[in-house]
Amino acid sequence: NAGVTQTPKFQVLKTGQSMTLQCAQDMNHEYMSWYRQDPGMGLRLIHYSVGAGITDQGEVPNGYNVSRSTTEDFPLRLLSAAPSQTSVYFCASRTGTGAIYEQYFGPGTRLTVT
Amino acid sequence: AQSVTQLGSHVSVSEGALVLLRCNYSSSVPPYLFWYVQYPNQGLQLLLKYTTGATLVKGINGFEAEFKKSETSFHLTKPSAHMSDAAEYFCAVSPSGYSTLTFGKGTMLLVSP
Repeated sequence: NAGVTQTPKFQVLKTGQSMTLQCAQDMNHEYMSWYRQDPGMGLRLIHYSVGAGITDQGEVPNGYNVSRSTTEDFPLRLLSAAPSQTSVYFCASRTGTGAIYEQYFGPGTRLTVT
Repeated sequence: AQSVTQLGSHVSVSEGALVLLRCNYSSSVPPYLFWYVQYPNQGLQLLLKYTTGATLVKGINGFEAEFKKSETSFHLTKPSAHMSDAAEYFCAVSPSGYSTLTFGKGTMLLVSP
């Protein structure tokens, strides 16, 4: 198993550009989520999904869009990038049954918006 | 709503010394509690978790944590620090196994020779 994969690892955008951060997992996990990590702020939840076709907002959803058309993939879209979105983004997944407590994190995408 | 407070953004210890990282939480229901570790330029890795049952929880790499309901605390300890323990540590809380995680702001552990 590859676990949770994220692409790209690094990205530089200009203000106003759009892009999609990719996240995929091969563990057949129902639950997937996106976090952003900023210095001194810990991890804050952006959006999450409890299954294909179902998404919901987290703590800091503004400026981000998500959809979940398959169990495996959960892309995060920045519609019009702003410098305030400079951050490290982590995708995570976990199963909805059995050992439901452990979230598996991807390696992160470091995004800089100039 | 739940929240997590980690006391100290940075903790410095000498190699071989006791490691103590503090975490206090607030939760309206009995919580599920977690400690994650993040090594430089990597994702987060679960160290240990408390769900139900025994309040002293043992994790990987010699770490353990004790759930104290009366103190609303879940402090992380390790008897003897290694250089390889240098990383950032995050405490997190969830009101149930099916809910989202709320993270603390993190504590950077620095280990000196």
